[in-house]
Amino acid sequence: GENVEQHPSTLSVQEGDSAVIKCTYSDSASNYFPWYKQELGKGPQLIIDIRSNVGEKKDQRIAVTLNKTAKHFSLHITETQPEDSAVYFCAAAWGGTSYGKLTFGQGTILTVHP
Amino acid sequence: KAGVTQTPRYLIKTRGQQVTLSCSPISGHRSVSWYQQTPGQGLQFLFEYFSETQRNKGNFPGRFSGRQFSNSRSEMNVSTLELGDSALYLCASSLATGELFFGEGSRLTVL
Repeated sequence: GENVEQHPSTLSVQEGDSAVIKCTYSDSASNYFPWYKQELGKGPQLIIDIRSNVGEKKDQRIAVTLNKTAKHFSLHITETQPEDSAVYFCAAAWGGTSYGKLTFGQGTILTVHP
Repeated sequence: KAGVTQTPRYLIKTRGQQVTLSCSPISGHRSVSWYQQTPGQGLQFLFEYFSETQRNKGNFPGRFSGRQFSNSRSEMNVSTLELGDSALYLCASSLATGELFFGEGSRLTVL
């Protein structure tokens, strides 16, 4: 089955700096790669996703890049703010008829210091 | 519109008991997925239901089961609870091929 590795496990940055989280996946059939943010006591919330026919996607301060050949994808957060502090998860799925079965990475605890 | 609602939010059980967790998806969403979240294993897929049919199943023992009703509400059941079943159980709903919307989870503690 699919396996997703995520690095780093913890990331500490100063407010205004950029943060980068990287993930690799094993199943070349995977074609959907979402990123989730989980705050304390809450469920994961989708922040951005990318499909395998696209190499890069941006949404304001957040961007995701995908390298299908190397089977890795990355999350980039620019101009970080204290409210970006949370646990971030990458995931992979083979869409087929649904994206309900996600394989998640182990998570990255991001801390943004004011 | 209302989000995914999970009940109960917290519960404590003892080994050997069984538990039923409930999930009400976002109105109009017909797909419901369940995940187990633990510090050691992270987020792991349990199963997915669509139109009352199990569409996918993760690598969990048969003690874990679920179902979906005609109104898309879903329940999961864990029988013969073990200490290792202590976890946050998350439900997510979606349209057929779109974003998963997660609830806040049901935190189960097994003593």
